[in-house]
Amino acid sequence: GAGVSQSPRYKVAKRGQDVALRCDPISGHVSLFWYQQALGQGPEFLTYFQNEAQLDKSGLPSDRFFAERPEGSVSTLKIQRTQQEDSAVYLCASSRRQGNTEAFFGQGTRLTVV
Amino acid sequence: GIQVEQSPPDLILQEGANSTLRCNFSDSVNNLQWFHQNPWGQLINLFYIPSGTKQNGRLSATTVATERYSLLYISSSQTTDSGVYFCAVESRNSGNTPLVFGKGTRLSVIA
Repeated sequence: GAGVSQSPRYKVAKRGQDVALRCDPISGHVSLFWYQQALGQGPEFLTYFQNEAQLDKSGLPSDRFFAERPEGSVSTLKIQRTQQEDSAVYLCASSRRQGNTEAFFGQGTRLTVV
Repeated sequence: GIQVEQSPPDLILQEGANSTLRCNFSDSVNNLQWFHQNPWGQLINLFYIPSGTKQNGRLSATTVATERYSLLYISSSQTTDSGVYFCAVESRNSGNTPLVFGKGTRLSVIA
């Protein structure tokens, strides 16, 4: 596609509900990143894939957060048993390869946990 | 890990004014990008500039890698320039690291 596409754009979840956020990277991009952005803050790194391999998940805040990219293209970020502190914008980015290359971001998914 | 500091945190400009935003970073970098986050939350790529100088219309950027800073210049500002400007860097010395963001500069351009 022309750009990174994320869905849904907005998600309201009741506390304790599981959610799944989808990211379609730019076609042919090898690297895919997930970030979390709290209100008034800069994006914070969550996890990174190179093709289907999850090379870094050091930023995932708890074991309730899980990400996958089974075929090396579309990725899903899943949050189990959502809590209010999970409310944030979740941003996905992709780049042609890892390192020394420009990253492009999607529009984000705004998650509100009530 | 690498630290990224942006200044000023907030800036209010009259339409037509010029401004300079600064990004300091604590280590050598492979990648440095400037983004504009619009009021709808979209991160728009402005510059990919690990070193040197680039210009795009009313915007230009300079990165002095040896001194570990980058500057974003906005000339003849317009109300549509409002939003948050982020600098993000990828450390050269920390293996396969992702982009690390600063806290941003919130710019408000008033007519």
